[in-house]
Amino acid sequence: AQKITQTQPGMFVQEKEAVTLDCTYDTSDQSYGLFWYKQPSSGEMIFLIYQGSYDEQNATEGRYSLNFQKARKSTNLVISASQLGDSAMYFCAILDRRNQGGKLIFGQGTELSVKP
Amino acid sequence: SAVISQKPSRDICQRGTSLTIQCQVDSQVTMMFWYRQQPGQSLTLIATANQGSEATYESGFVIDKFPISRPNLTFSTLTVSNMSPEDSSIYLCSVDLAGENTGELFFGEGSRLTVL
Repeated sequence: AQKITQTQPGMFVQEKEAVTLDCTYDTSDQSYGLFWYKQPSSGEMIFLIYQGSYDEQNATEGRYSLNFQKARKSTNLVISASQLGDSAMYFCAILDRRNQGGKLIFGQGTELSVKP
Repeated sequence: SAVISQKPSRDICQRGTSLTIQCQVDSQVTMMFWYRQQPGQSLTLIATANQGSEATYESGFVIDKFPISRPNLTFSTLTVSNMSPEDSSIYLCSVDLAGENTGELFFGEGSRLTVL
């Protein structure tokens, strides 16, 4: 079975600094996808960034980048130049490709607080 | 991306009643998914809704409690039946835009239900 682990329940970062949110996964599949979502207090899930298991380059999207280490089964999210609006819950998820459709298995999340 | 609209955005319900949540997408999608997020928890998949077939439910979720409709490629509903306080959660629909299990998995804004 696939599993996602986020070991940081809460993180603090100073505004304008970079922060790394950790995520490790466990899967026996050769082909899988890794996602990061942001969930502000309003409850919506905002897609941030995606990494395919066969992608050789680390994914980047604006201020978001992934430190994807396949051998270690980790995909840490790096947020550069933190902003106050980055304060939210962040969820890492793995896509279960074995089943039909896009079933996402989520980690427990990390609550990020950006200090002014 | 796609515009995914959910209604209601939030509601307060009485024990024993049922509530139907709607999810509307601005493009045709093969697969739609319903997730539940209990307070302080991560997201858990309830079921996968494909147009023209019965929904596929995950372990721990049954059709009698969470009936789903998928009348066309842009719309789905989830009903939470005979509600109890334990059903207080955020319910989110998501869509797989690519249909081939790539990185295009997006969520609606969520429906926050409180059961008294």
